[in-house]
Amino acid sequence: GAVVSQHPSRVICKSGTSVKIECRSLDFQATTMFWYRQFPKQSLMLMATSNEGSKATYEQGVEKDKFLINHASLTLSTLTVTSAHPEDSSFYICSARGQKYTEAFFGQGTRLTVV
Amino acid sequence: LAKTTQPISMDSYEGQEVNITCSHNNIATNDYITWYQQFPSQGPRFIIQGYKTKVTNEVASLFIPADRKSSTLSLPRVSLSDTAVYYCLVGASGGSYIPTFGRGTSLIVHP
Repeated sequence: GAVVSQHPSRVICKSGTSVKIECRSLDFQATTMFWYRQFPKQSLMLMATSNEGSKATYEQGVEKDKFLINHASLTLSTLTVTSAHPEDSSFYICSARGQKYTEAFFGQGTRLTVV
Repeated sequence: LAKTTQPISMDSYEGQEVNITCSHNNIATNDYITWYQQFPSQGPRFIIQGYKTKVTNEVASLFIPADRKSSTLSLPRVSLSDTAVYYCLVGASGGSYIPTFGRGTSLIVHP
């Protein structure tokens, strides 16, 4: 299967600062990327969907000004958590889908801790 | 989107075959069935995908009855390392498909 790389795997930041998470499709062109967050013992919750060159579509309840998503190329999407607060601490996971695959592939996830 | 229902948890022992069934009564004609495995603090890993009948790969088999309202993931001879959460997803493979996760099945394999 295809490979999706997410970086960093874990990050600790101070409250009020911003954090950027990168998601790259290494061996295929990702026409669509997805961002999820996952709290302990819970399932993945979709935050937003982004298509290359277009604005992201956010799920209800997800603040687009707080979670900035950029999908500038067919192999890279970024999620920036702005003015992070302790309640933003979570596990963030990206996913990518390409035209030649029927399934989506997931990154390793990023553990964000806001102190 | 077709909703899926899976058992919340299952227990098994090393060497046994494990079958996890997923119900998706409202599956659409062009929907595929995809299973993922997730370990703690890792992203989901693709296991297998199918549309009808039976699909087999090096790690699992997927059985889909004719009415496609359910599917069964079969893991042959599980080991301790198969302890994970398994998710069943249903959706079309086209451009509008958005992977949506249900609660998943937490499988614990005992020695």
